[in-house]
Amino acid sequence: DQQVKQNSPSLSVQEGRISILNCDYTNSMFDYFLWYKKYPAEGPTFLISISSIKDKNEDGRFTVFLNKSAKHLSLHIVPSQPGDSAVYFCAASGGHSGGGADGLTFGKGTHLIIQP
Amino acid sequence: NAGVTQTPKFQVLKTGQSMTLQCAQDMNHEYMSWYRQDPGMGLRLIHYSVGAGITDQGEVPNGYNVSRSTTEDFPLRLLSAAPSQTSVYFCASSQDSEKLFFGSGTQLSVL
Repeated sequence: DQQVKQNSPSLSVQEGRISILNCDYTNSMFDYFLWYKKYPAEGPTFLISISSIKDKNEDGRFTVFLNKSAKHLSLHIVPSQPGDSAVYFCAASGGHSGGGADGLTFGKGTHLIIQP
Repeated sequence: NAGVTQTPKFQVLKTGQSMTLQCAQDMNHEYMSWYRQDPGMGLRLIHYSVGAGITDQGEVPNGYNVSRSTTEDFPLRLLSAAPSQTSVYFCASSQDSEKLFFGSGTQLSVL
């Protein structure tokens, strides 16, 4: 049973436009959400996070929105740049009784392609 | 500052062979973990450690062993490799167990 779902395997966006990546979760015990970015042949790198007590967190061109009632979060990238082409993973923590130390639950990832 | 270093980058094993994937970090992080990534799948947690001498199982621990004798090192041992263990393995470290710093990965093929 997949607790973190990224239903779009890929997304193509024109350079300069907004990229919106979506993520849904099923475990109501999740209390912290993160986005990671991954280039080919490299490990994922942390991008941005949000606590369940907030509904928005912004860092430069990246904004994450959290809708707890819908169990949905999204990552907005404005404006999109060619270097943003990568796989983006949504991840969540706190879904276990042991808290965050039990590790993150990842979605399958969305491959974002920025078209020139 | 090297961050998280994984060796080897590539490895081919025959079914039944054993091997150790090495992971070292120089950031003095207490939390370290191993994930595997399979095609079309997200990363899945194999084992993790919250400090030297302490390890615990993640989501997919079968067929793997870990130990944490020092803060810096967290090796992953495959006891008897199986084709189902063909995957890309990522080691990660963190101060808070959530904002993880990942190594560049080990691509393992088991024939």
